[in-house]
Amino acid sequence: GAVVSQHPSRVICKSGTSVKIECRSLDFQATTMFWYRQFPKQSLMLMATSNEGSKATYEQGVEKDKFLINHASLTLSTLTVTSAHPEDSSFYICSARGLDSSSGANVLTFGAGSRLTVL
Amino acid sequence: SQKIEQNSEALNIQEGKTATLTCNYTNYSPAYLQWYRQDPGRGPVFLLLIRENEKEKRKERLKVTFDTTLKQSLFHITASQPADSATYLCAVNTGNQFYFGTGTSLTVIP
Repeated sequence: GAVVSQHPSRVICKSGTSVKIECRSLDFQATTMFWYRQFPKQSLMLMATSNEGSKATYEQGVEKDKFLINHASLTLSTLTVTSAHPEDSSFYICSARGLDSSSGANVLTFGAGSRLTVL
Repeated sequence: SQKIEQNSEALNIQEGKTATLTCNYTNYSPAYLQWYRQDPGRGPVFLLLIRENEKEKRKERLKVTFDTTLKQSLFHITASQPADSATYLCAVNTGNQFYFGTGTSLTVIP
């Protein structure tokens, strides 16, 4: 089945530095990937939709200049948290849209997530 | 505003019983409603979906219903097992977007 690999799984950084998170679709091409953020015991908050070869579409309230998304190939999307601050500490999860074989509908395959801690 | 609410934050049931989780949405007209399972510190995993024109869908011990008039989906796990303990998320799929509910943490007690 479809597999999405996300790295790193955990990262600790100092305030003011930038952190890059990679999301790769391993056995399929993902023209569209989604980036979510999740706080403890809360649901997934959609941050942006990443489209291969074009600019990402950000949800309202998400700072484009802070959360840089690049989807340069059909198998790789990256999220860079720039000038990170402690309030950016969170669980970031990427996903790729694919087809459910039994229904033919679009479903999401998620990466394992990246736990970011900003000191 | 658009909302997706799941009935309770946490649900505890005895092993062997049926767990029923609720998902209510407002201001969406989804083509599909999907259910995912999330284990601690991991990304969600797709379980089952139901189309807007379907009333019920089954997959092994899982059953999903969809009432577009009530704007509600019910997710049932029959003969529950401790291994079913996880957080379950419903998701509304509208076109290219997927929006998730708040999640229900299920604990199956042996």
